[in-house]
Amino acid sequence: AQSVAQPEDQVNVAEGNPLTVKCTYSVSGNPYLFWYVQYPNRGLQFLLKYITGDNLVKGSYGFEAEFNKSQTSFHLKKPSALVSDSALYFCAVRDAGNQFYFGTGTSLTVIP
Amino acid sequence: NAGVTQTPKFQVLKTGQSMTLQCAQDMNHEYMSWYRQDPGMGLRLIHYSVGAGITDQGEVPNGYNVSRSTTEDFPLRLLSAAPSQTSVYFCASSYLQGASEQYFGPGTRLTVT
Repeated sequence: AQSVAQPEDQVNVAEGNPLTVKCTYSVSGNPYLFWYVQYPNRGLQFLLKYITGDNLVKGSYGFEAEFNKSQTSFHLKKPSALVSDSALYFCAVRDAGNQFYFGTGTSLTVIP
Repeated sequence: NAGVTQTPKFQVLKTGQSMTLQCAQDMNHEYMSWYRQDPGMGLRLIHYSVGAGITDQGEVPNGYNVSRSTTEDFPLRLLSAAPSQTSVYFCASSYLQGASEQYFGPGTRLTVT
């Protein structure tokens, strides 16, 4: 069965420090992987996706993600965190049957 | 483009009442889906559709019905509301191509008393 795991419910990081939000997945076939961000009382917004090719994917607002096939991971990164990055982050995978599977989300708090 | 729109934004129902959550998209997306979001559980897929006239069940379909008579609209019907259906509901759409990301509506916050 397809699944996505976000092992950390909460990540705290100081402003200006690099941040990482972790995601691992289990899917048959080649995965399509996505990161979304959700601000309070809003819908999810697309950040970036991995389809194929370069393992480092760049997305919106300075975010990037590293795909690692051997570790089945797709960690979200940003070199320098901003207070405005504080939000809920979701990792998702789309399978060959067109269903999306989401992780349980990671709440990121950037401390001024 | 308005993107994905949902109505209403908020709704309070009594146990046993029925209602329909509306969802519409203007991007000509084939794929549409409904999720519920509950604390600590992420997003769970209720129903989805890959085109007009085609719907299928997701992870948590019980107590919900959907139909897809047009490409644009994908309403979600609660047949007999229960307190366990208190949640935030999101509609999303995308192209059918596997690499396409989903676009989400702003959500409907439903409380069942």
